[in-house]
Amino acid sequence: AQTVTQSQPEMSVQEAETVTLSCTYDTSESNYYLFWYKQPPSRQMILVIRQEAYKQQNATENRFSVNFQKAAKSFSLKISDSQLGDTAMYFCAFMTNSNSGYALNFGKGTSLLVTP
Amino acid sequence: ETGVTQSPTHLIKTRGQQVTLRCSSQSGHNTVSWYQQALGQGPQFIFQYYREEENGRGNFPPRFSGLQFPNYSSELNVNALELDDSALYLCASSAGGRGGPGETQYFGPGTRLLVL
Repeated sequence: AQTVTQSQPEMSVQEAETVTLSCTYDTSESNYYLFWYKQPPSRQMILVIRQEAYKQQNATENRFSVNFQKAAKSFSLKISDSQLGDTAMYFCAFMTNSNSGYALNFGKGTSLLVTP
Repeated sequence: ETGVTQSPTHLIKTRGQQVTLRCSSQSGHNTVSWYQQALGQGPQFIFQYYREEENGRGNFPPRFSGLQFPNYSSELNVNALELDDSALYLCASSAGGRGGPGETQYFGPGTRLLVL
């Protein structure tokens, strides 16, 4: 079974501070992709960042960066200079080819609250 | 460029009824995936369509069925509704061949279904 585990149900950070969200996954596939999605209270799922498993360099998108540890099957998200608009549910997901097609496998999410 | 849209926004049905949810994919995208997101959970993959054919299916019973049209829009049909079908239903579109592992999925705002 392919699973994604987000061990932090809720986190809080002050505005302008840095926060790291954890994610571990389990797959026997060698070719896969990892994603972080953000779901604000408006509920639209928005892509934050993606990482190809074959790339050793960690992905970065402005204030968002990942720490990808392939051997440990770990894929954490770091948010720098947190802003109030970062308040949302954050989902870690991976995608690989399987009998179920190219489906995203999601974790249960981490609820992030950014406070003034 | 138009993003992924879904209709209706909200829907209330009674147990045993049938429901049809609709999704318009993002311009240039030929693959549509459907997910069910129960309250407090991450989305679960239902199925995926590529060029009007089912390309993969998650662990959902046959009463969950779908269609994709020549313009790549899609429908999700659920027969014999059960109380546990109450959830947010998300549609995601992607470009390229069969929504492969490299293709990012872009989500619509979802349809909130309540089964009484």
